Amino acid sequence: EIVMTQSPATLSVSQGERVTLSCRASQRVSNLAWYQQKPGQAPRLLISGVSTRATGVPARFSGSGSGSGTEFTLTISSLQSEDVAVYYCQQYNDWPPYTFGQGTKLEIK
Amino acid sequence: QVHLVESGGGVVQPGRSLRLSCAASGFTFSGSPMHWIRQAPGKGLEWVAVVSYDGLRKFYADSVKGRFTISRDNLKNMVYFQMNNLRPEDMAVYYCARQEGGVFDYWGQGSLVIISS
Repeated sequence: EIVMTQSPATLSVSQGERVTLSCRASQRVSNLAWYQQKPGQAPRLLISGVSTRATGVPARFSGSGSGSGTEFTLTISSLQSEDVAVYYCQQYNDWPPYTFGQGTKLEIK
Repeated sequence: QVHLVESGGGVVQPGRSLRLSCAASGFTFSGSPMHWIRQAPGKGLEWVAVVSYDGLRKFYADSVKGRFTISRDNLKNMVYFQMNNLRPEDMAVYYCARQEGGVFDYWGQGSLVIISS
C-alpha cells in the first residue's frame, strides 16, 4: 500500500499571500490528485494527473511534482478567503487501495 | 449536470446491518466505475470500495473486506453498499463518488452512519 503523507497538518496564511502545501508518497507515483473540502461539504476535485486543473478550478491553484515522483506540491498563488478548507492529496497509481494523505487544514491568519 | 444522492444512513447497533444507496443522474452511469469513500468524524478520507462500470469487478479496503458489499444496477442508475456486522469504527459519513480518468470527479453530499448501542 502506498502511504501518502501531507505537511503541515495546519497552515495559517494571510489573505493575498502564496500558499504551498506538500504531499509525499512512500513510493514513486505518477497519478496524483488534490481535493478541497470546505467545512460541512463533500470533497471537490481540484487537480488530477499531478498538475491538470479540474473544470472550473481557478487558475490560482496549481499542482506540481518533483523528478523523484514522490514529492508533490499544491500551490495557491494568492490566498482568498474562500480557499479556507482542508486539502487532501490522493494517489491512484497503484490500487487497491486508493490512498489519501491525512489532509492539511488551511486557515486565514 | 452530474448528481449523486446518497441515502440509507442512520443509527444502528454494533453487529447489525445497513444498506446505503446512491442515485446517479446527469451522465452515462453504465460507463463509470463508482466508489464509496468514508470519513469518520473529524478525520480524513478513507477509500472503502469500488465497482466496475459493468458491476463485474469489485475491490474493497481491508478494513471492510468480508463485511461490506458494493453493487450497482445500471438500469436504475443506482449504487448500493450493503454493510454487515457493523463496528464502532465504521461510524462515518459515507460518500458515493464517480470515477473518471482514475480520480473521483463528482461526489455526493454524503450519508451519515452512526454506530451506537
